[in-house]
Amino acid sequence: SQQGEEDPQALSIQEGENATMNCSYKTSINNLQWYRQNSGRGLVHLILIRSNEREKHSGRLRVTLDTSKKSSSLLITASRAADTASYFCATDGGGLLMIKAAGNKLTFGGGTRVLVKP
Amino acid sequence: ETGVTQSPTHLIKTRGQQVTLRCSSQSGHNTVSWYQQALGQGPQFIFQYYREEENGRGNFPPRFSGLQFPNYSSELNVNALELDDSALYLCASSLEWKGVSSYNEQFFGPGTRLTVL
Repeated sequence: SQQGEEDPQALSIQEGENATMNCSYKTSINNLQWYRQNSGRGLVHLILIRSNEREKHSGRLRVTLDTSKKSSSLLITASRAADTASYFCATDGGGLLMIKAAGNKLTFGGGTRVLVKP
Repeated sequence: ETGVTQSPTHLIKTRGQQVTLRCSSQSGHNTVSWYQQALGQGPQFIFQYYREEENGRGNFPPRFSGLQFPNYSSELNVNALELDDSALYLCASSLEWKGVSSYNEQFFGPGTRLTVL
């Protein structure tokens, strides 16, 4: 089952515009991450925000986290054609259930497909 | 490049057959997780292996099984294939987890695209 719901499911913007996507989740979390996936291939880790953080920046990426609303947003500023991809949020709150775990189980949302037109 | 490799890249099987997918972890990583990603959806956790033992499993039937070897490479085996098993299968390797407050990044391979006819 999916932990998160992402909104919108698809987004089409012009190069240079900002892209914003949102993620909601259901259970308590340790961390929330955003990944990018090009053309149905492997996932690329973009940014991680811990449950005690509210905002984080990395280059053109800005992530916010509101644990009271169980939601996060990813903002990509000054988008480029190369940003065209699917973006997924993923939570890891399974640590408590995996006593011997080495690396937390990730629960992904359904993704937002972003198209950046040149 | 994450240093995680998977083989084969693509695979076509028929219903009822068995399949083995392989993953080579990033050097030094002793944990591997497998995910299934159906078309248009997010990845779903299948199971995780740590030091050659299964350590956590998602909502997948027993016909999904795995192995992890001493060199930390791993396999995902699926028996009695069904049409709904058609998906992209991703493995991810990571370092040892050291507690609830810690996090070790998972590095994903490029995936194996399985088609069941």
